[in-house]
Amino acid sequence: SAVISQKPSRDICQRGTSLTIQCQVDSQVTMMFWYRQQPGQSLTLIATANQGSEATYESGFVIDKFPISRPNLTFSTLTVSNMSPEDSSIYLCSVYDTGTEAFFGQGTRLTVV
Amino acid sequence: AQSVAQPEDQVNVAEGNPLTVKCTYSVSGNPYLFWYVQYPNRGLQFLLKYITGDNLVKGSYGFEAEFNKSQTSFHLKKPSALVSDSALYFCAVRLNYGQNFVFGPGTRLSVLP
Repeated sequence: SAVISQKPSRDICQRGTSLTIQCQVDSQVTMMFWYRQQPGQSLTLIATANQGSEATYESGFVIDKFPISRPNLTFSTLTVSNMSPEDSSIYLCSVYDTGTEAFFGQGTRLTVV
Repeated sequence: AQSVAQPEDQVNVAEGNPLTVKCTYSVSGNPYLFWYVQYPNRGLQFLLKYITGDNLVKGSYGFEAEFNKSQTSFHLKKPSALVSDSALYFCAVRLNYGQNFVFGPGTRLSVLP
């Protein structure tokens, strides 16, 4: 199983600012993903982080709002830009590589005030 | 389109009693099925999966789940609940390798002492 370290674990941010979340995996993985979990809700896929190319975004999510980097096979960042209170959520990094289960970071709990 | 339903928002059970958390799915084809647990302020932890083979699968912490193809269900069970099992449980489906996960809405399990 992959071990995923996600930073920061939580943050309180002012509206209009940006926050970058980091995800570090202890092994090389092909597929990395970013999810959002709004309060009391299930997980929604934001995008697939592609190594060496632009991320693939799901419907309703755009690069200007959620820019993603993936410089190598063990690391990715998600930035939440120009934040508003509606962006208050848990953001989760996830990896899967062998066609079976996914592994998740511990999440970043973001509160926008 | 794939979808996952967890018909109960909340399940309450007394410690020592058996527990069941229900999951039904809708996919075209043969799905991969998963259960994850989320403790407060934590990411998702993998519990168990069904890929193929025996319909009864056993996972972590004494949990098991039964795949029922005719009823398109994958209910999570445990013979004797513990207070520490109290958490949010997510059922998820994936059609095959390379396909994204689709998560159910989650069921909050409360085990009462």
